Amino acid sequence: DGGITQSPKYLFRKEGQNVTLSCEQNLNHDAMYWYRQDPGQGLRLIYYSQIVNDFQKGDIAEGYSVSREKKESFPLTVTSAQKNPTAFYLCASAKTGTSGIDTQYFGPGTRLTVL
Amino acid sequence: AQKITQTQPGMFVQEKEAVTLDCTYDTSDPSYGLFWYKQPSSGEMIFLIYQGSYDQQNATEGRYSLNFQKARKSANLVISASQLGDSAMYFCAMREGGGYNKLIFGAGTRLAVHP
Repeated sequence: DGGITQSPKYLFRKEGQNVTLSCEQNLNHDAMYWYRQDPGQGLRLIYYSQIVNDFQKGDIAEGYSVSREKKESFPLTVTSAQKNPTAFYLCASAKTGTSGIDTQYFGPGTRLTVL
Repeated sequence: AQKITQTQPGMFVQEKEAVTLDCTYDTSDPSYGLFWYKQPSSGEMIFLIYQGSYDQQNATEGRYSLNFQKARKSANLVISASQLGDSAMYFCAMREGGGYNKLIFGAGTRLAVHP
C-alpha cells in the first residue's frame, strides 16, 4: 500500500540530546514537509523540500535540521538548540505539478517528549 | 495578522444532523487554495476537501461540502448527516500562490457528535 510512514510513534529525549525523526513515503511524491503541532494549535512549517538534495527553511526552522538524500526519505533532526522541542511532529508529502491541486498528505506523526 | 481564522474552538452536533464549521482567511494573492483536514485522536491529518480561488462552484466530496464566499473571504465546511466517527479536530488551511505549496493552518475546531 502507498503511504507515508513516520517512526517512532513516541520518542523521549533527555535535554541536550539530538534526536532524529524518520519520514518515508512510497507515493513517488517530489515534495516533502515537516510540521510541528503544539497542544490546541494548528500546524507550523519547519522545513520543506521540493526535490532531492534541496530544502528550505519554513517558519520555525531554528533548532532543527533536515536532509533529502533520497526522494523517499526526509528525516528531521531535533537538535539541542531547540529550546522547547516537546510537540507532535507531522511529515507530509505532495506531488508537484503545473496544474494539480498538489494536496499534501500526512503521515501518522511522532510525539516527542523531552524529559 | 491571522491569515486563517477558525472562531469556533468547539462545536457539538446531534448524530444525523448537519453542522457548519467556520473558516475565514486573509490574503491579497488572487491565486490561492483552501483545504480542510480532519485530525482524529490518533493524530493523523486526513485530507477532506479542496477549493481553488478560481473555482466557480463550491467543492463537494461525499458528505463534505465547502461553502465558499469569496467576497467575504470565508470557506466554511459543511458536514451533512453527521456520524459518531466525525468527532475530531478540523483544520482549515490556505495555500497562497508562489510555487512552494506552503500551507498556513488555522487553530482548529473540535467537533463532538452526540448520539
